[in-house]
Amino acid sequence: GAVVSQHPSWVICKSGTSVKIECRSLDFQATTMFWYRQFPKQSLMLMATSKEGSKATYEQGVEKDKFLINHASLTLSTLTVTSAHPEDSSFYICSARPRQGPTEAFFGQGTRLTVV
Amino acid sequence: AQKVTQAQTEISVVEKEDVTLDCVYETRDTTYYLFWYKQPPSGELVFLIRRNSFDEQNEISGRYSWNFQKSTSSFNFTITASQVVDSAVYFCALSDYSSASKIIFGSGTRLSIRP
Repeated sequence: GAVVSQHPSWVICKSGTSVKIECRSLDFQATTMFWYRQFPKQSLMLMATSKEGSKATYEQGVEKDKFLINHASLTLSTLTVTSAHPEDSSFYICSARPRQGPTEAFFGQGTRLTVV
Repeated sequence: AQKVTQAQTEISVVEKEDVTLDCVYETRDTTYYLFWYKQPPSGELVFLIRRNSFDEQNEISGRYSWNFQKSTSSFNFTITASQVVDSAVYFCALSDYSSASKIIFGSGTRLSIRP
């Protein structure tokens, strides 16, 4: 089946620094990718929708200046957490739906971010 | 607006028991997709099933079965003869029919299977 690779799997960073997370669709083109955040023992909450070649659409309450999303190609979207703080510590998961073919979304393996 | 409700926060059963996870959804769309995902402790989401709103047939896959009732807006998931490896968080989810649409997740049900 289709594969979405997310990197890194886990990262620890110091408060105030920025962290970039990559999401790649390895064997299909995805014009749209989605970024989710999951706090411990909670559900996946959609943060933003990333469209290739255009600005991302952010969900209500998500700071677009803090969570920078770049979808530079049909196979790559990046999420940068700027000036990270301990409250940004969470599990971040991306998903991509193929431009053609099956309509289920394929999820990356997730990135566990810890800000110390 | 779309919404998915999983009223069961946690379920614990003894191995080999059958268990049903409930899912109720809300949508104004006439066409939509329903999903179930499994999330083991590793965190990765494992796709289990996708059902479109046109197809109300129940589905069985090994020990797993799904009951889609459009009249009650429910999409319940049953595990027969549960095993310890089934322990995970299970999410029911919903999206509209567009290929670019986002998936809305329920709050999840944490399933623990005791040996």
